[in-house]
Amino acid sequence: GAGVSQTPSNKVTEKGKYVELRCDPISGHTALYWYRQSLGQGPEFLIYFQGTGAADDSGLPNDRFFAVRPEGSVSTLKIQRTERGDSAVYLCASSSGTFGDSPLHFGNGTRLTVT
Amino acid sequence: RKEVEQDPGPFNVPEGATVAFNCTYSNSASQSFFWYRQDCRKEPKLLMSVYSSGNEDGRFTAQLNRASQYISLLIRDSKLSDSATYLCAVKKNNDMRFGAGTRLTVKP
Repeated sequence: GAGVSQTPSNKVTEKGKYVELRCDPISGHTALYWYRQSLGQGPEFLIYFQGTGAADDSGLPNDRFFAVRPEGSVSTLKIQRTERGDSAVYLCASSSGTFGDSPLHFGNGTRLTVT
Repeated sequence: RKEVEQDPGPFNVPEGATVAFNCTYSNSASQSFFWYRQDCRKEPKLLMSVYSSGNEDGRFTAQLNRASQYISLLIRDSKLSDSATYLCAVKKNNDMRFGAGTRLTVKP
């Protein structure tokens, strides 16, 4: 079946611009996660949704970052006034969320480069 | 202190070697544990879940020590194709956190 889909796969933007990154989770998965990964580092937690609501957004670095999941399926991560330090791979993952031991399944990521 | 800590390596081993990675976690209420594998410029992929009694999947063995709050991964008879970064992941309810990863290179 289809896995987690992220678009675009690559995004180059200028400092100060606004970007949106999209994630389409595995069908039926109720939990959706956003992580950020820099070279040589592990995935850094940003936010996770259970259904339509953000269950934990404690990882969002500041108020320039915002994410939505209005219908409990597709999610969009929005970054305002991008900075060069925002350059990273943004990973989305989903899980069935039914059981605590259900693993996460990742998309291919969006590589964001802020110039 | 980071929630999940791993030795970053790199571990450079010859083919056929046995190699072990450890990972420690800070939240004693953590419920589920996993090892992921990540190839260069790819997304993390689930390698195996880690169960309280320990579990094995072919050449891979995972163990959990709740009292000491660490998990381990043992790879026997290393193959060139095992070269990757191995990420430890710890979950409480639906909140999953990752370590920085341990890099393994298996050489001929």
